[in-house]
Amino acid sequence: KAGVTQTPRYLIKTRGQQVTLSCSPISGHRSVSWYQQTPGQGLQFLFEYFSETQRNKGNFPGRFSGRQFSNSRSEMNVSTLELGDSALYLCASSSGTVESRAFFGQGTRLTVV
Amino acid sequence: GEDVEQSLFLSVREGDSSVINCTYTDSSSTYLYWYKQEPGAGLQLLTYIFSNMDMKQDQRLTVLLNKKDKHLSLRIADTQTGDSAIYFCAEYTNAGKSTFGDGTTLTVKP
Repeated sequence: KAGVTQTPRYLIKTRGQQVTLSCSPISGHRSVSWYQQTPGQGLQFLFEYFSETQRNKGNFPGRFSGRQFSNSRSEMNVSTLELGDSALYLCASSSGTVESRAFFGQGTRLTVV
Repeated sequence: GEDVEQSLFLSVREGDSSVINCTYTDSSSTYLYWYKQEPGAGLQLLTYIFSNMDMKQDQRLTVLLNKKDKHLSLRIADTQTGDSAIYFCAEYTNAGKSTFGDGTTLTVKP
């Protein structure tokens, strides 16, 4: 199965804290996309990074940010956590070309209390 | 462990119906989703079904769920060239885990 690695798998934070999630894409993939998934809502697109640059951005507040390193690993940061940020955060990697297929990691389950 | 399987390719003629199949293994699935990935774009949610339903219809889309066989299908009626994309099946479980299939590439020929 696809080798996208997300860490940590589970996380519990309190309101007002900040959190950083990590995603290591499949070797050779330069595109990393982040999604938030909640029951009944499906995936909501956060942003996509390609070659260390944010290429696409969804409709989330500025508390959600990300970055990508030269080895294509990506981090997502959420500041001033709110209860509504509790969700499964998924990252997907692809080669970044028009025809490329996305491969998903197992996600990080964030619970905000 | 959890696994979601789907065939990798499907080719149909414009105007025909497309049926994309998916099997899953985790019986604790609460939601099952179908996503569409168009060239160069991220995933978009097409439709979803609760695990206690067996059918959901939404315009040209029909989702059928057979819980006993853990089989999910997506039927697209009157398939158009604009439906050409990769379709992902995914399950979401009570434990808050999500597993995606590898996607089915649908090619619609004029």
